[in-house]
Amino acid sequence: GNSVTQMEGPVTLSEEAFLTINCTYTATGYPSLFWYVQYPGEGLQLLLKATKADDKGSNKGFEATYRKETTSFHLEKGSVQVSDSAVYFCALRESSSNTGKLIFGQGTTLQVKP
Amino acid sequence: EAGVAQSPRYKIIEKRQSVAFWCNPISGHATLYWYQQILGQGPKLLIQFQNNGVVDDSQLPKDRFSAERLKGVDSTLKIQPAKLEDSAVYLCASTNPTSGGGTQYFGPGTRLLVL
Repeated sequence: GNSVTQMEGPVTLSEEAFLTINCTYTATGYPSLFWYVQYPGEGLQLLLKATKADDKGSNKGFEATYRKETTSFHLEKGSVQVSDSAVYFCALRESSSNTGKLIFGQGTTLQVKP
Repeated sequence: EAGVAQSPRYKIIEKRQSVAFWCNPISGHATLYWYQQILGQGPKLLIQFQNNGVVDDSQLPKDRFSAERLKGVDSTLKIQPAKLEDSAVYLCASTNPTSGGGTQYFGPGTRLLVL
């Protein structure tokens, strides 16, 4: 079946450091790919998405590129801030439907220290 | 635009008791989802509604879990009887299938602890 694998956390960085959180997926067809973020005490928020190969999603300084050849969607940010501390989830939606369920990775906790 | 509303935010019950969660999706969103998020894991779909019909309930433990969306708007998720392993955050999400590329918007969740 379809699945998503994320790098294990927690990831601890100093402010202004470069961030990479790895995400790889297994899926048939051409899924849509997402990054969601969960701040402490809050619900999941969509951070960015990409719906086809080579698309780059971006938001709030975060970027991820849909790489079909490596089945990856790694999240990057050039300079993290303390306010970026949160849990980040990579997810896919199967290609057959615009309303299909999301399949999530296990989440990666990011802690940014001043 | 108001987001997805859920209540209660927290619930503590003893095993074998029953519990119900409520969700009010974003206005106009025809598709509604309930996900279960166990600590340290990503959310997993329990059930998906399109208006008041069930689209996918393949992962719902039907011997103890039930859900309904009678008028195609609000939804309730019930657990009866609860087990220790049901301790989790229950997330409701909604989407408008005709716009926004099917982006799912999540509520704040209900955190359930079963003792």
